[in-house]
This record gives sequence, structure tokens and C-alpha cells, in this order.
Amino acid sequence: QKEVEQDPGPLSVPEGAIVSLNCTYSNSAFQYFMWYRQYSRKGPELLMYTYSSGNKEDGRFTAQVDKSSKYISLFIRDSQPSDSATYLCAMREYYGNNRLAFGKGNQVVVIP
Amino acid sequence: GAGVSQSPSNKVTEKGKDVELRCDPISGHTALYWYRQSLGQGLEFLIYFQGNSAPDKSGLPSDRFSAERTGGSVSTLTIQRTQQEDSAVYLCASSSGQGVTEAFFGQGTRLTVV
Repeated sequence: QKEVEQDPGPLSVPEGAIVSLNCTYSNSAFQYFMWYRQYSRKGPELLMYTYSSGNKEDGRFTAQVDKSSKYISLFIRDSQPSDSATYLCAMREYYGNNRLAFGKGNQVVVIP
Repeated sequence: GAGVSQSPSNKVTEKGKDVELRCDPISGHTALYWYRQSLGQGLEFLIYFQGNSAPDKSGLPSDRFSAERTGGSVSTLTIQRTQQEDSAVYLCASSSGQGVTEAFFGQGTRLTVV
């Protein structure tokens, strides 16, 4: 079992729809949970991060972490064509080395 | 510079040749990471440098891969005797230190082994 599982299937939604993405993980030592956005032929850029369980909202984006279920989610409200990108979840332990463990990413296409 | 810079942006090499990939991190960042991104495989951790500590090499896939970081700044990832399965985008990231969550990525080097 991989440390971080993210179903890599592409996702196409009409403009204005809610996009829902999620990841599961197996390492209970993970404490920081992040979502990166990657545009085509660019490096990933940090979109949001949360520490431990809970919700975090930033504009149209909401990140949720449920440590008891080892499950994290990202929601994009009122999706825009500019949101079309690959979204990768990432996580790391608080102690120990600082490597980020990534999911495979979801390619999201928002259709105008 | 303003961001993480990687060179070359594209590299085509023949099977069996050695290649060197370069990363210039953000000035003052003490942590530097190398990742590999293959199609449909997400980001695979390769190696991590933090200040003057011994690097975490646990992600290097074979002894053909090595990396160094000179003077706590520029890093070079070397792949010896390249194989076709080494074809991927090699991404470098830096962050300002331990406990800091945000890693800033470069645009990557797209390596093609023919």
C-alpha cells in the first residue's frame, strides 16, 4: 500500500460546479497536509495547507482533514476555467525528515 | 533570483550517457529537495538536503543516482549510465528550513533518454 493514495482519474466539470478531490493515507505520523496545484509544464505551487485535523477555507477553496479516517479533501466552489490544472495532495510528518509524500494528482478541467 | 531555477529545462540524452541536472534554490533557503515526476505516477521523493546535516538519500532509486549541494546553495543531481526508465521530469524545491511547510518548486528538467 502506498503511503498516499489519490485516485488519478481526470475530472471534467462545467464552469460554476463544485470540484471535490480527496486523498487517503496510511502513515499516522503525518501532521501537515497540503494541496498543490500544477499547471501544465510548470512546477507545483502550494495552494493550501492544514495542520492536524480540521477545516480551512481560503476564498473558493476549502481543505478538510479527518485524521481519524486518514482522509483529506479539497473542495473548489464556483469553479473557473483558470482552475484547470492538476491537483496533488501532499503530507509530511512533524518530526523526522521533512520529505513531502505526494499523491498521484488529479487533472481537473473546468469547461466554460 | 526570485524563484527556484533549474537547468536545463529539457535534456535529451542517449542511453548509457551520464547527465547532470542543476538547481538554484531561493536565496537563503536552507532546505532543498529533488523529486521525480513520471507520467501518471505523481511526485517521487529522491533526496533532501537540510543545512549542513547529512542528506536524506532514502529515495534515490539506484546507485546510478547521486546528488550534491555545494556551499549550502546550488545542487546538482547526477544520473550515470542513463536508462530509458529514467525519462521523467526532475523537480527541485527549496524551503526556508525545518518545520516550514511551504516548498517552492522550480519548473523542472524534462529528461528524455533515447
